[in-house]
Amino acid sequence: DGGITQSPKYLFRKEGQNVTLSCEQNLNHDAMYWYRQDPGQGLRLIYYSQIVNDFQKGDIAEGYSVSREKKESFPLTVTSAQKNPTAFYLCASSVFRDVNTEAFFGQGTRLTVV
Amino acid sequence: AQSVSQHNHHVILSEAASLELGCNYSYGGTVNLFWYVQYPGQHLQLLLKYFSGDPLVKGIKGFEAEFIKSKFSFNLRKPSVQWSDTAEYFCAVNARSSASKIIFGSGTRLSIRP
Repeated sequence: DGGITQSPKYLFRKEGQNVTLSCEQNLNHDAMYWYRQDPGQGLRLIYYSQIVNDFQKGDIAEGYSVSREKKESFPLTVTSAQKNPTAFYLCASSVFRDVNTEAFFGQGTRLTVV
Repeated sequence: AQSVSQHNHHVILSEAASLELGCNYSYGGTVNLFWYVQYPGQHLQLLLKYFSGDPLVKGIKGFEAEFIKSKFSFNLRKPSVQWSDTAEYFCAVNARSSASKIIFGSGTRLSIRP
């Protein structure tokens, strides 16, 4: 089955610790994204990547970092600099350089800082 | 930079009522437009999309949306809602000049009374 896998589904972190969220896709998509979902605020773009070894900041990149060493993987690190990290994080991917592009989403990771 | 506005934060309807959810975007160039749905406990799914051609787009589950370029709008409609349409609905835009950056609105929560 082709799709996007995010792990873990639930994650707890102590304040001051960095944590990495995994996102893997086997759809052979070029572009990958990370969004943060908070009640009443919709999905806000954290980072996105159009090709391997390249990525751009979205609207709320502060306190986050990413890497794109492989086409199928786009891990997100939530650093201790992120002031309000408790949220639902969604990873997505899409075809790039094709007009018929839409994003496909993973199941999400719910991060709670304790 | 493109942005998306969804003015209805929470809509409550009775079964069989007609639905229209508003979506306006700000971007002067050519865009791709999407509506996504998130059912309780499930991942985001694509309802419908507009890239070009007929501005009236049909999607899954009886939903449709009309692209009105002069109004920068892409409102979602359904003639008769069902209890199973209870979900959160997100409008999204992807400006053709920055092909893979997909921006979402804040979402509209739809509650259907049985």
